[in-house]
Order: sequence, then structure tokens, then C-alpha cells
Amino acid sequence: NAGVTQTPKFRVLKTGQSMTLLCAQDMNHEYMYWYRQDPGMGLRLIHYSVGEGTTAKGEVPDGYNVSRLKKQNFLLGLESAAPSQTSVYFCASSYGVSGGSYNEQFFGPGTRLTVL
Amino acid sequence: ELKVEQNPLFLSMQEGKNYTIYCNYSTTSDRLYWYRQDPGKSLESLFVLLSNGAVKQEGRLMASLDTKARLSTLHITAAVHDLSATYFCAVARRNRGSTLGRLYFGRGTQLTVWP
Repeated sequence: NAGVTQTPKFRVLKTGQSMTLLCAQDMNHEYMYWYRQDPGMGLRLIHYSVGEGTTAKGEVPDGYNVSRLKKQNFLLGLESAAPSQTSVYFCASSYGVSGGSYNEQFFGPGTRLTVL
Repeated sequence: ELKVEQNPLFLSMQEGKNYTIYCNYSTTSDRLYWYRQDPGKSLESLFVLLSNGAVKQEGRLMASLDTKARLSTLHITAAVHDLSATYFCAVARRNRGSTLGRLYFGRGTQLTVWP
């Protein structure tokens, strides 16, 4: 099993450009998440999904959009990148069981994004 | 909003010494995770603590959870260089009116172990 994979690993954008980050998991997890990690900070939740076709906002959703067309994939889009979005982005997934997403989250390797 | 505080944020210790990292959180939760992150790498799960009084040990690391005090500790025994990394605690909480539980992360403790 590959677990959680992310593409690309690195990317440099100019302000105003758009891009999509792809997350894929092969563990048949229901729940998927996008986080950002900034220096000296923990991880902050951007958006999440509790199943195919459903998405919801986390604590820092502005400037991002997401889609979950297939259970195994979760896409994070930046429509018009800004320097404040320079960060490391992590995708995670977990089982969804009755009672909610209390189960352990498994993280991808991260995407390092720089916006000039 | 659930707040998670880790102390210390930076820890430099000599090999062979013992130390404890603390994780305090602001509201009720009954599940807490500890993760390790090496520089430039992803997060690796270390421990899942599921109930009050839970204690887990793996090698030189031992984690405990006191839900009444809203406190978890990660104790390092006889530190070695290989333990150098950033350690995060993450507290699980279910959103009100939702079946989704979220993880709230502390800022991390950057541990450096020197000879």
C-alpha cells in the first residue's frame, strides 16, 4: 500500500496564478483532510471531506477550494495564489465510523508551495 | 474553539537525560494523539491515548493522558540523538451537531538531543 500520496512535492507560483494539489489514498478511508503548516505553528485545517461528493470548511478555508469526486482523491485548489499561501500543505485521511472521525489520521508527505 | 498548548516549544537536551513535554488543552476531549515529524518530512503517529489514565510506551517514549486535568505528557527517558524531531500533540473533538471529529494541533516541541 502506498498510503497517502501527494502531488506535486514542490511548486513555485507567481501571485495570481492558480494550481491544484492532488491527494490520493489507497486505504479506503472515508474522511480526508487538507492542512497547512507554517513555521512554528501546528497544523491548521483548511477543508475536509466526510465522503465522496461532500466537502466542508475548516478553520482557514479562505482562498482555497476543494473537490472530492472520487473516494480515493481529494483535490485542493488555489484560484489566485497569494504570498500568504506560501506554506507546506499536508493531506490526511482516516476511517469514518459511527461516532465520527475520531480515528487516527494518516498523513501524506506534504507539498511545499512558494508564492512569489 | 479548542486550544492546545504545548510546553516547551524548544527543548535542547543532552543524551542520557530525561525530560517531559506537556500538552494542555482547553475543553473536554477523550482522545489525544502524539505525532513525530522529522525535518522536511510528514507526520508519523506515535501514540493514541483513548481514555483517562491511558499510558502508552514505545522505547524511550512514554505518553499519558489525564482527561480531568486536560493534560497529556510525553516523557523521554535516557534521550538519544535519534529522538531529535518535532513532536506534536493533537486533541480530538467532535464538532457540535456533526459526526465529524477534528484534530486540534499544538504548535509542536522541537527537540534536539546532543551528545
